[in-house]
Amino acid sequence: GDSVTQMEGPVTLSEEAFLTINCTYTATGYPSLFWYVQYPGEGLQLLLKATKADDKGSNKGFEATYRKETTSFHLEKGSVQVSDSAVYFCALYNFNKFYFGSGTKLNVKP
Amino acid sequence: DAGITQSPRHKVTETGTPVTLRCHQTENHRYMYWYRQDPGHGLRLIHYSYGVKDTDKGEVSDGYSVSRSKTEDFLLTLESATSSQTSVYFCAISEGASSGTDTQYFGPGTRLTVL
Repeated sequence: GDSVTQMEGPVTLSEEAFLTINCTYTATGYPSLFWYVQYPGEGLQLLLKATKADDKGSNKGFEATYRKETTSFHLEKGSVQVSDSAVYFCALYNFNKFYFGSGTKLNVKP
Repeated sequence: DAGITQSPRHKVTETGTPVTLRCHQTENHRYMYWYRQDPGHGLRLIHYSYGVKDTDKGEVSDGYSVSRSKTEDFLLTLESATSSQTSVYFCAISEGASSGTDTQYFGPGTRLTVL
């Protein structure tokens, strides 16, 4: 069945460091791909999405490119801030169902 | 932000008591979902609804029931709460797949503690 695998955390970075959080997926057909962010004590917020191969989703300095050849949707940011500390979830939508990764906690130190 | 509210936001109850959590949306979206979030398990789908009075089970539905009598409200009921149901519960909504893709939007969550 369809599934999402993302790198385990926590990931700890210093402010202004480059961020990559890896996400790979298994799916038939042509899923849509998402990144959600969850700040402490809050619900998941949509960060960005891509609906077809080679699409790049971007928001708030974060980017992810839908790579069908490698079945990946890695999240990147060039310079993280302390305020980016949160849990990040990769997800896919396919044939009327949503699938979520287990989440990656990011800690950014000043 | 999508108009989704959950009530209560926090609840402490005792084993064996019934508990009902409410999700309310103002977006007129067709689909509504209940998830639970636990450390080490990520998000797990409990039940979902694809229309008024139309519901189906998710992967962890045992011990839970749902009802949807209006488009805007989706209720999750624990008939007899157990300590294993201590968790954070999230409601989510989506429009439905008429365009071939869909996006979920989440509520703020309800933290439930069963003593």
